[in-house]
Amino acid sequence: SQKIEQNSEALNIQEGKTATLTCNYTNYSPAYLQWYRQDPGRGPVFLLLIRENEKEKRKERLKVTFDTTLKQSLFHITASQPADSATYLCAPGGSYIPTFGRGTSLIVHP
Amino acid sequence: DGGITQSPKYLFRKEGQNVTLSCEQNLNHDAMYWYRQDPGQGLRLIYYSQIVNDFQKGDIAEGYSVSREKKESFPLTVTSAQKNPTAFYLCASSMMGGSSTGELFFGEGSRLTVL
Repeated sequence: SQKIEQNSEALNIQEGKTATLTCNYTNYSPAYLQWYRQDPGRGPVFLLLIRENEKEKRKERLKVTFDTTLKQSLFHITASQPADSATYLCAPGGSYIPTFGRGTSLIVHP
Repeated sequence: DGGITQSPKYLFRKEGQNVTLSCEQNLNHDAMYWYRQDPGQGLRLIYYSQIVNDFQKGDIAEGYSVSREKKESFPLTVTSAQKNPTAFYLCASSMMGGSSTGELFFGEGSRLTVL
């Protein structure tokens, strides 16, 4: 069956460090992957999209990679700040109905 | 301002009652979706609609019903047949087709508690 897997454990890092979150997918061949941020009690907000023919995409302090061989996307936040603390979700795109994994909770400590 | 609006934000229900959650969008999006989120869990798809007067079941449709009589509106009814309805419900919409990449725009959610 199709599955999206993200780190189930919360990721705790110190302010200023780079956070790296992983999204693995099974039985999908997505044309692109989308990343969202969700704050507690709020709806997710779209952050970035990376297409299958793009190895890397950047937006300010965010960087996303997409490895179709490994079936994996990595989401990096450089120079992390406490305000980056949230849950981050990935979803495959293209011809698929949007489905999500559990997301990874990121906690940035001052 | 364009966006997607859910109401009510909080809702309490007695067991055995049906409740309807509202979702309205003015983004002119074709597709609309309902997700359920339980504490510490991801989003699970309940129903989706890609065109007016048509909708499809998602992974956890049992105990729920929807309608799509207008492009802007996609209400969700939580029926008494839903055994464990206490959850956070999220509505989303997206464009479809053409150059669209289908990114989702979410509402702020409705938190349903069964007493």
